[in-house]
Amino acid sequence: DQQVKQNSPSLSVQEGRISILNCDYTNSMFDYFLWYKKYPAEGPTFLISISSIKDKNEDGRFTVFLNKSAKHLSLHIVPSQPGDSAVYFCAASRGAGGGADGLTFGKGTHLIIQP
Amino acid sequence: EPEVTQTPSHQVTQMGQEVILRCVPISNHLYFYWYRQILGQKVEFLVSFYNNEISEKSEIFDDQFSVERPDGSNFTLKIRSTKLEDSAMYFCASSDPTSSHEQFFGPGTRLTVL
Repeated sequence: DQQVKQNSPSLSVQEGRISILNCDYTNSMFDYFLWYKKYPAEGPTFLISISSIKDKNEDGRFTVFLNKSAKHLSLHIVPSQPGDSAVYFCAASRGAGGGADGLTFGKGTHLIIQP
Repeated sequence: EPEVTQTPSHQVTQMGQEVILRCVPISNHLYFYWYRQILGQKVEFLVSFYNNEISEKSEIFDDQFSVERPDGSNFTLKIRSTKLEDSAMYFCASSDPTSSHEQFFGPGTRLTVL
């Protein structure tokens, strides 16, 4: 039951170029979406989030776009740097206004930044 | 910068034994969570905890699991009788009331059941 799907297990991008990571979801009850970055032997690190009432959120080199009608979101990293090499997880949450809702994660995309 | 801490980093146990995994959430956070990641699989939600009671739990969180906040700082996950399939990374997370969707994760405890 994959409610959050990341269809690309890996992505290779040249340093300095744009990295675009994609995520699709099926559950219409999701109303908050997050991206996490994970290095081996560490916990996921929160990167950026977006509420379903918005279609774009930007934080420095990271921008998340949400297309609610297509149930699709993407994370853009510009410019890509070697330290961005990691596994990126898309996650979704239900329940507007907060509360202790569990996140539903995708399987992750391994981003490799090549020099 | 405040962070979530977890102990131990690695726990090895025999099948059928009880284990307790410990977490210290970020101090002003009020929502606490446990997740697990079996090797090669995605991160899965187990349980959330607020105001000294379970707020939500997944179907994975059956009667062999329990959570507790024994004092003002620790948050624990107990597995009563471990099975081989409980081998996984267990992550604790916490969030604050003003932005409870944004959960901050600890480094994880690797549980190996032999």
